Amino acid sequence: DAKTTQPPSMDCAEGRAANLPCNHSTISGNEYVYWYRQIHSQGPQYIIHGLKNNETNEMASLIITEDRKSSTLILPHATLRDTAVYYCIVDRLIIQGAQKLVFGQGTRLTINP
Amino acid sequence: NAGVTQTPKFQVLKTGQSMTLQCAQDMNHNSMYWYRQDPGMGLRLIYYSASEGTTDKGEVPNGYNVSRLNKREFSLRLESAAPSQTSVYFCASSESGHETTRGANVLTFGAGSRLTVL
Repeated sequence: DAKTTQPPSMDCAEGRAANLPCNHSTISGNEYVYWYRQIHSQGPQYIIHGLKNNETNEMASLIITEDRKSSTLILPHATLRDTAVYYCIVDRLIIQGAQKLVFGQGTRLTINP
Repeated sequence: NAGVTQTPKFQVLKTGQSMTLQCAQDMNHNSMYWYRQDPGMGLRLIYYSASEGTTDKGEVPNGYNVSRLNKREFSLRLESAAPSQTSVYFCASSESGHETTRGANVLTFGAGSRLTVL
């Protein structure tokens, strides 16, 4: 069963904030929310992750609802280079061992000029 | 710092031929992975290696074998290629086994190897 639900596609104007939603209603208390993106046919790239607090880094912000059943990835000032497939993944953090992430279909985000 | 390097980038095989995809990482990561991605699909885990000397099956291991040659290298072998194995293959490694600056056991992916089996 899929752990996350994402819209298949979204559009955003260049320079505007892109807000990508993700539903994870069955998330467990020890599971993190991870976001990766895949630009064209390149390998996926890590963006951000969080447990229950909002997180921000140089690439994006992650807003997780208080009940942790959904989250939003925010790209504050989208550029054409942000056009990609964005994957929301829920998994417990593995410190010792392999982090076997399961990639779903993701959201295809298109940034329009 | 090259990260994760995969070779070859492109390969065309005939049904029944064998080949090995090579992967090397220079980040001193403990864990390595092989994923495949079919058109319009997400990535599916084929095999992984949690640490040097160990390998385990992922979601779609049939038709493949792997070797963790040393800490740096993790190869994927197709013994008898089939058209269903036409795909883009991604190798990845992760910084497991120690506390990282990002604390996420982040996977770093290679650029991919596009394989076509005729």
